[in-house]
Amino acid sequence: AQSVTQPDIHITVSEGASLELRCNYSYGATPYLFWYVQSPGQGLQLLLKYFSGDTLVQGIKGFEAEFKRSQSSFNLRKPSVHWSDAAEYFCAGLLKTSYDKVIFGPGTSLSVIP
Amino acid sequence: GAVVSQHPSRVICKSGTSVKIECRSLDFQATTMFWYRQFPKQSLMLMATSNEGSKATYEQGVEKDKFLINHASLTLSTLTVTSAHPEDSSFYICSAREGSGGVGHTDTQYFGPGTRLTVL
Repeated sequence: AQSVTQPDIHITVSEGASLELRCNYSYGATPYLFWYVQSPGQGLQLLLKYFSGDTLVQGIKGFEAEFKRSQSSFNLRKPSVHWSDAAEYFCAGLLKTSYDKVIFGPGTSLSVIP
Repeated sequence: GAVVSQHPSRVICKSGTSVKIECRSLDFQATTMFWYRQFPKQSLMLMATSNEGSKATYEQGVEKDKFLINHASLTLSTLTVTSAHPEDSSFYICSAREGSGGVGHTDTQYFGPGTRLTVL
């Protein structure tokens, strides 16, 4: 079955440190992948997406993600974390059906230590 | 960028009453809208997909008679929780997509800010 997994439930980093959030996918065909961020009690904001082309994708707020087909991964990175980055991060994949639907990973909660 | 709004942002109701949540695409026409449910500390679970002018497609395990979805126009979809009970308390999020999807299309979904439903 097609799925998206995020191995880390919770991550804590110090402000200014680098960040990598892991995402793995299980797909039979070309994956369409996304990273979303959700602040407490808020909706989702799209950080970046990968459909095809360059495997290193730049997003908003200084985030980037790299698609690695050999590892079935789409990890999110940021070189220097800010306290305002503390939030819930969801990796998601687009399941191509007659109408498409997005499958979300379980999420990774990010805490930032001042 | 594309904006999706939801109304209300929070609603508290008594058990047994019905609640309607609106989802609007503000600056684009949404051929397809999605409704998700999110429990605390959990991921989003797709409830149903609605295409403008046709019946919604519900995910397995979602009661279509309890969660009524109407997508009457290209900018508005509504979710009505009928005879709400405390176990229906949750965060409901809608998303909207300009295209109808399918093979060869990769339209992005834009998410609303969510509606917090509390049933007493």
